[in-house]
Amino acid sequence: AQKVTQAQTEISVVEKEDVTLDCVYETRDTTYYLFWYKQPPSGELVFLIRRNSFDEQNEISGRYSWNFQKSTSSFNFTITASQVVDSAVYFCALGSSNTGKLIFGQGTTLQVKP
Amino acid sequence: EPEVTQTPSHQVTQMGQEVILRCVPISNHLYFYWYRQILGQKVEFLVSFYNNEISEKSEIFDDQFSVERPDGSNFTLKIRSTKLEDSAMYFCASTRGGLRGEKLFFGSGTQLSVL
Repeated sequence: AQKVTQAQTEISVVEKEDVTLDCVYETRDTTYYLFWYKQPPSGELVFLIRRNSFDEQNEISGRYSWNFQKSTSSFNFTITASQVVDSAVYFCALGSSNTGKLIFGQGTTLQVKP
Repeated sequence: EPEVTQTPSHQVTQMGQEVILRCVPISNHLYFYWYRQILGQKVEFLVSFYNNEISEKSEIFDDQFSVERPDGSNFTLKIRSTKLEDSAMYFCASTRGGLRGEKLFFGSGTQLSVL
């Protein structure tokens, strides 16, 4: 069965701190896809990144970076120099190449205080 | 960037009533999805739709639910007889080719409140 675990329910940091959101996944598929989404208080799901199982290169996009490690089945997300606007719920999701559906983790609520 | 559009943004209905949630996927996309999120919980897959038929559905997607692509642009989710527990945010999404090489963009959601 496929599963995504985001063990951190809530994280609170002070602005400019770095913060890492953890994501651990389970799948028996050899080809799969990992996603991160941001859900601000307004409720929409904002796409942040997609990774396929064959691409273990870490990625950096501005203050955001992602560390994909197949050996530990983890796909962690780091925000550098956090800002108040980063306050949101962040979801990690696992996609199957066969079905196209996403399995979401429970989400991590990030609060960045000024 | 092209967007998935959902209407209405909010829908209030009485228990037992039928509701139809509407989505306009991105124009050249072929795969369509509905997800839902009960307040404070994770996002859950409901159904995927390709080539005018359901390709996969979850346990949540029982006989009360149906999907349709009535024309070339709309993708609808119908709940035949709403229950209190159907209250949730419903998200539509679409892709051109499943998840291969694809980002998966969601619409902004329809908040359904069943009273």
